[in-house]
Amino acid sequence: KAGVTQTPRYLIKTRGQQVTLSCSPISGHRSVSWYQQTPGQGLQFLFEYFSETQRNKGNFPGRFSGRQFSNSRSEMNVSTLELGDSALYLCASSRSLAGGVTDTQYFGPGTRLTVL
Amino acid sequence: DQQVKQNSPSLSVQEGRISILNCDYTNSMFDYFLWYKKYPAEGPTFLISISSIKDKNEDGRFTVFLNKSAKHLSLHIVPSQPGDSAVYFCAASGETDSWGKLQFGAGTQVVVTP
Repeated sequence: KAGVTQTPRYLIKTRGQQVTLSCSPISGHRSVSWYQQTPGQGLQFLFEYFSETQRNKGNFPGRFSGRQFSNSRSEMNVSTLELGDSALYLCASSRSLAGGVTDTQYFGPGTRLTVL
Repeated sequence: DQQVKQNSPSLSVQEGRISILNCDYTNSMFDYFLWYKKYPAEGPTFLISISSIKDKNEDGRFTVFLNKSAKHLSLHIVPSQPGDSAVYFCAASGETDSWGKLQFGAGTQVVVTP
């Protein structure tokens, strides 16, 4: 079974630009979560999507947004990039079991975003 | 507010010996705990998990212990191998309305020496 894939793997942008990152979950997984990893803040939860709906959101400004498609693929968008947005962006997928039972998340390789 | 803490930023262990990584949490609502291993420039790789209804889970060389009363979990790697050199993160979930959200510790860098 193929793992979680993320594209692109590396990206360089300048301040003020916007960027879109893509994530394809493991086949059969319906939940996609996004995280930001920086040296200072560690791994921070951005948001989670299930059945094309955002179910949960972390403490990030509105410049960070996302969406999920009917095939469970997800994209996240960052508008008006700032230097502090330079980070490794990770997505993770899970089956999202019924009844709210916690499920294991499997991560993609990440997209390394550098903002100049 | 750091709800999951890994107080040891690094650990050095000899090949063949036991590695013990520790993790503390503050939120009593957490009911599922995971350990991930991460190499530079890669995403975290799932290692092992434990539900709050258990106090031990074992998978090959990896064993996770959970002490709910102390809000503490640990990961034992026996025997340690050079390929185990990586950053290890513990994570927790189960808060109310926490769909898809894992809370991560800051990580412990493990170096296995020959």
